[in-house]
Amino acid sequence: NAGVTQTPKFQVLKTGQSMTLQCAQDMNHEYMSWYRQDPGMGLRLIHYSVGAGITDQGEVPNGYNVSRSTTEDFPLRLLSAAPSQTSVYFCASSPGQGGLGYTFGSGTRLTVV
Amino acid sequence: EDKVVQSPLSLVVHEGDTVTLNCSYEVTNFRSLLWYKQEKKAPTFLFMLTSSGIEKKSGRLSSILDKKELFSILNITATQTGDSAIYLCADTNFGNEKLTFGTGTRLTIIP
Repeated sequence: NAGVTQTPKFQVLKTGQSMTLQCAQDMNHEYMSWYRQDPGMGLRLIHYSVGAGITDQGEVPNGYNVSRSTTEDFPLRLLSAAPSQTSVYFCASSPGQGGLGYTFGSGTRLTVV
Repeated sequence: EDKVVQSPLSLVVHEGDTVTLNCSYEVTNFRSLLWYKQEKKAPTFLFMLTSSGIEKKSGRLSSILDKKELFSILNITATQTGDSAIYLCADTNFGNEKLTFGTGTRLTIIP
C-alpha cells in the first residue's frame, strides 16, 4: 500500500516550458486535490476532483489544468510555466470523511527560471 | 469563502516550555477543524475536531474547539526540539471535502 505517490520530487523549468506533475493513489479514494505551498501562505487549493471524470477549480487555478480519467490518477499540467509558479506542490486524496484520512503525497519542489 | 487565520506566525521558545497555538475560522456549514504538523515534507495529521468531539489529547499535545467563538487552540507541553515544525490548521464543510488552510505557525524549540 503506497498511499499517494507524486513524481517528480524536484524539477527545474524554463519560463514557457510545459510539464505534468504526476499523482497516483492506491487507496480507492474518490476525492483528490492539488495544493501549492509558498512561504507564509499555507497550502492553497489549485484544483480538485470528487471522482473520475469530475474536476473543479480551487482558490488558485490559473495556469494549471487537470483531468481525472481514472480513480487512481490525478495529473496536474502546467501549460506555460511562469516564475510565479515556483512553489512546492502537494497532491492529496481523501475517502470523504470530513478530513479524516486525508493523505498527502511527499511533494514536488518546482523552480521556474 | 472559508477563512482560516492562525497566530502567531512564528514562535521561538526554550525546550521544556509550554506553547499555545491559535486558529480562528469562518466557514459556512462547518464540519471539522484539523491540525497538522509539517516538518520537511508533507503535513502529517494530528487531530480532527468536530461538533461532537471538541477536545482531543495525545501525549503532550492537546487541542480544543470552541464552536461558539469559532476558534481552536493547540497546546504542547514540555516542548522538545522534535516539536520544531510548522503547525497548520484547516477546516472543512459539509458541502465538499476541501481543506482550507491557515498560513501556519512556525514553531522553533531552542535546546
